[in-house]
Amino acid sequence: QVTLRESGPALVKPTQTLTLTCTFSGFSLSTSGMCVSWIRQPPGKALEWLALIDWDDDKYYSTSLKTRLTISKDTSKNQVVLTMTNMDPVDTATYYCARGSIAAAGTRYFQHWGQGTLVTVSS
Amino acid sequence: SYVLTQPPSVSVAPGQTARITCGGNNIGSKSVHWYQQKPGQAPVLVVYDDSDRPSGIPERFSGSNSGNTATLTISRVEAGDEADYYCQVWDSSSDHGVFGGGTKLTVL
Repeated sequence: QVTLRESGPALVKPTQTLTLTCTFSGFSLSTSGMCVSWIRQPPGKALEWLALIDWDDDKYYSTSLKTRLTISKDTSKNQVVLTMTNMDPVDTATYYCARGSIAAAGTRYFQHWGQGTLVTVSS
Repeated sequence: SYVLTQPPSVSVAPGQTARITCGGNNIGSKSVHWYQQKPGQAPVLVVYDDSDRPSGIPERFSGSNSGNTATLTISRVEAGDEADYYCQVWDSSSDHGVFGGGTKLTVL
């Protein structure tokens, strides 16, 4: 059974750096074809893809947020970490991690999601 | 960057067929994935690779993709299908994930 759980602060101040951890079980991120992504959703708004790390440590970032994001993995701990610098109130959102698969032609989709963690940015 | 366009809302009576579209430039050349999200819950994958269903997803959910439009079709709609639906692609030209703006399905 695949499970993912996001953890991190519920409240951060503007300009601070956010660090979120995705702890997972039921799969290994060292297995070929696996990937983990971070996706966020501001209250009442649509899903927004943020970043993704593949089993072979390839990393991909949203163009608009690339300068602020870093994704990394610790295979031995079954964790993926996302850091986002210079937080702003517009970054208030529920942040999800999701396990994906790298399918034919390189497409990626997300079949297992964590329950999400709400991060509020406010002074 | 690649853009996916969905109608904000679709309404359908119980037992009827709902069709939710996802528009994108030559989207037919990409694999499209669909997610269902109910209030307060994480998204659930309902269709992947245009038309495949994960295990546990009813056959009432199907997908198609051609030209500039992908479509999620829900047959024999039930009250429990009321949710937000999102399409998603992986844009290989930029190596980015892309989500549509979401469609709220209302069961009348």
